[in-house]
Amino acid sequence: GNSVTQMEGPVTLSEEAFLTINCTYTATGYPSLFWYVQYPGEGLQLLLKATKADDKGSNKGFEATYRKETTSFHLEKGSVQVSDSAVYFCALFVGGYQKVTFGTGTKLQVIP
Amino acid sequence: NAGVTQTPKFQVLKTGQSMTLQCAQDMNHNSMYWYRQDPGMGLRLIYYSASEGTTDKGEVPNGYNVSRLNKREFSLRLESAAPSQTSVYFCASSAGQPNTGELFFGEGSRLTVL
Repeated sequence: GNSVTQMEGPVTLSEEAFLTINCTYTATGYPSLFWYVQYPGEGLQLLLKATKADDKGSNKGFEATYRKETTSFHLEKGSVQVSDSAVYFCALFVGGYQKVTFGTGTKLQVIP
Repeated sequence: NAGVTQTPKFQVLKTGQSMTLQCAQDMNHNSMYWYRQDPGMGLRLIYYSASEGTTDKGEVPNGYNVSRLNKREFSLRLESAAPSQTSVYFCASSAGQPNTGELFFGEGSRLTVL
């Protein structure tokens, strides 16, 4: 079956630090990969996506590259801000299954 | 821009009581979903509706029922609430046909069962 594994949190960083949140996946077929972000008290919203191998998704300074050879989709940001404090979810979708599979989420706290 | 609207936002129930969570989307999306979010478990799919008139079970359907009332609305019913159903529930929709997997979420409904 399909599954997503992401690093345990919480992750605490100082403002302007470099961020990496690891995500690996197992999938039947050729998945699309996503990062969703959940700010406190809100629903999830799409942060970025990649639909095929070697694609790089980017948004708001965040980036992730679809690595088929390592089945990974790690999230990175060069300089985090306090406003980036949130829970980040890695997810995958395989066409024909109608379901998105989520990882367990990684909480990021950025301190001034 | 309403997007996906869930009601109620908060609810406290006693064990054995019933209730319905309502969800409506105004984006003309074909597919709708109900997830629950629990600490350390991420999001787990309860039920989904790929199109109007169809519903299917997800990972954790026991204790729940759903109704796709029309293209806009997808409700989740707890017939006899149990403490294990204490959770935050999210409704989501996606355009579908073809489904790209990009989901739009509501703000969530926090349910406590005593």
